[in-house]
Amino acid sequence: GNSVTQMEGPVTLSEEAFLTINCTYTATGYPSLFWYVQYPGEGLQLLLKATKADDKGSNKGFEATYRKETTSFHLEKGSVQVSDSAVYFCALGGRGNEKLTFGTGTRLTIIP
Amino acid sequence: GAVVSQHPSRVICKSGTSVKIECRSLDFQATTMFWYRQFPKQSLMLMATSNEGSKATYEQGVEKDKFLINHASLTLSTLTVTSAHPEDSSFYICSARTDGPLFFGSGTQLSVL
Repeated sequence: GNSVTQMEGPVTLSEEAFLTINCTYTATGYPSLFWYVQYPGEGLQLLLKATKADDKGSNKGFEATYRKETTSFHLEKGSVQVSDSAVYFCALGGRGNEKLTFGTGTRLTIIP
Repeated sequence: GAVVSQHPSRVICKSGTSVKIECRSLDFQATTMFWYRQFPKQSLMLMATSNEGSKATYEQGVEKDKFLINHASLTLSTLTVTSAHPEDSSFYICSARTDGPLFFGSGTQLSVL
């Protein structure tokens, strides 16, 4: 079956540091890959997605590339801000993102 | 963007009691709603999928008689944890959609004493 393995947190970084949150997956077929973000007190929001191999999803300075050869979808940002403090979830699913399979979530805290 | 309101955000109850969690789509009609739960240090796991006006479809290993899901209207789905026990303590989250993207509630932390 499908599964997502995500870097365990919590992760604490200083402002303007480089961020990487690792995500690898196991899936049958050719799933779409997603990163969701949950800010304190809010619901999960789609941050970015990629629907096929070598696609790069990007949003708000975050990027992730769909790597079929390494079955990975690592999240990166070159310079994090305090406002990026949140929980980040990696997920896979169909193109309509129904029945998503999630990772454990990674809590990120950015300190000034 | 669309908003999904989930209530309550946190609930503490005694063992043996039932707890109802509501999930409302505030500015769109949700033909499909999903219920997830997350135990500490584990993945967010899909429990069931509900379509308005029909019975929910439960994932393997989820007891349908314990976790009652009602999706009686296009804007409201409820999850009732019946005869709750400490092992049901978890984070429950709903999501909703029509034809487009998923929108999530902010989750409910259930603690059963």
